[in-house]
Amino acid sequence: DVKVTQSSRYLVKRTGEKVFLECVQDMDHENMFWYRQDPGLGLRLIYFSYDVKMKEKGDIPEGYSVSREKKERFSLILESASTNQTSMYLCASSGPWGETQYFGPGTRLLVL
Amino acid sequence: AQSVTQPDIHITVSEGASLELRCNYSYGATPYLFWYVQSPGQGLQLLLKYFSGDTLVQGIKGFEAEFKRSQSSFNLRKPSVHWSDAAEYFCAVGGLGATNKLIFGTGTLLAVQP
Repeated sequence: DVKVTQSSRYLVKRTGEKVFLECVQDMDHENMFWYRQDPGLGLRLIYFSYDVKMKEKGDIPEGYSVSREKKERFSLILESASTNQTSMYLCASSGPWGETQYFGPGTRLLVL
Repeated sequence: AQSVTQPDIHITVSEGASLELRCNYSYGATPYLFWYVQSPGQGLQLLLKYFSGDTLVQGIKGFEAEFKRSQSSFNLRKPSVHWSDAAEYFCAVGGLGATNKLIFGTGTLLAVQP
């Protein structure tokens, strides 16, 4: 069965902290994605990666960076967390040719 | 511009009633269309998808959707709603390619009355 896991379901951090969100998929997928979800705004793409060590900016990359050192793992980094980054963060993965994206359970991040 | 519109932010139906959730898209190439469902506090689960072929597609949990190219629509339907269908529903459009980004609508929140 397809599985995407995220390191934390809930996270509380202080303004200015460096935050790491981890995502692991077990499907040998080439593509991995990070979204944030806010009420009334749907899902917005932060970054995606189509191969190890490759990354591309999505629609809202400001304040975020990513790392993909291994095919199965895609990390989202908040270099200096701010209160406006309080949100639900969703990771997804997919195969290379337009197949379905499979989502993790999400991490709800609160920045105080 | 590529976009997905879900005009209904919130819908309430009675249990056992039929359901239709609307989705309209704007996409320059051949669209691949998806419906996802999100239960409270959970990630997104795929309900169904349309890539090509028969324009009426069947999904899980008794859902179906019909692709109408002339109307740029991909509406989701269910003949009889169950209380467990209460959730948020997202329509998404994407295209074939090595970097298959999806564009999501803003979601429709479904409430089911007993």
